[in-house]
Amino acid sequence: GESVGLHLPTLSVQEGDNSIINCAYSNSASDYFIWYKQESGKGPQFIIDIRSNMDKRQGQRVTVLLNKTVKHLSLQIAATQPGDSAVYFCAPYPRYGNKLVFGAGTILRVKS
Amino acid sequence: DTGVSQDPRHKITKRGQNVTFRCDPISEHNRLYWYRQTLGQGPEFLTYFQNEAQLEKSRLLSDRFSAERPKGSFSTLEIQRTEQGDSAMYLCASRGDSNSPLHFGNGTRLTVT
Repeated sequence: GESVGLHLPTLSVQEGDNSIINCAYSNSASDYFIWYKQESGKGPQFIIDIRSNMDKRQGQRVTVLLNKTVKHLSLQIAATQPGDSAVYFCAPYPRYGNKLVFGAGTILRVKS
Repeated sequence: DTGVSQDPRHKITKRGQNVTFRCDPISEHNRLYWYRQTLGQGPEFLTYFQNEAQLEKSRLLSDRFSAERPKGSFSTLEIQRTEQGDSAMYLCASRGDSNSPLHFGNGTRLTVT
């Protein structure tokens, strides 16, 4: 089955610095990857996605990098702000199947 | 489009009681999902609907759990004879086509005392 792991369960960064959150996945058949942000008491909020035919995608202040060779994703947040403090999940979507698989998440704490 | 809506936001019940949660997906989304999340964990898949058809159920969904989506729009999740281990956040999500992300509601937090 699919498993998703995260290298750093908690990441503390200074406001204004860049943040990098890493994620490893095990199912090489995954062809669509989604990053979510979850604040306390709320549901996961979509941030950015990337398909397996891409290795980089940029959004507003966020960039996702995909390395299919080593089955690794990263989420880069530029100029991290206090409002970025949350739990971040990467969720691979299998090519054949109906469900996203979530790992435990990475806690991002932004120090002012 | 007001996003995925879940009701109630919080539910406290005594062990052994039945509870029912409701989810209203984004209106044009035909795919609907239920997930469960406990503290410090990521969401765990429970079940999936495409229109009114329940196409997949997790082994986590014991026979005390039942989900319906009778008209292919809103969905309900019922837990019978609740147990303390059922205490969790129950999340609903919906998506449109197969090339789009899931959009989650803010969940129903269940506490079984």
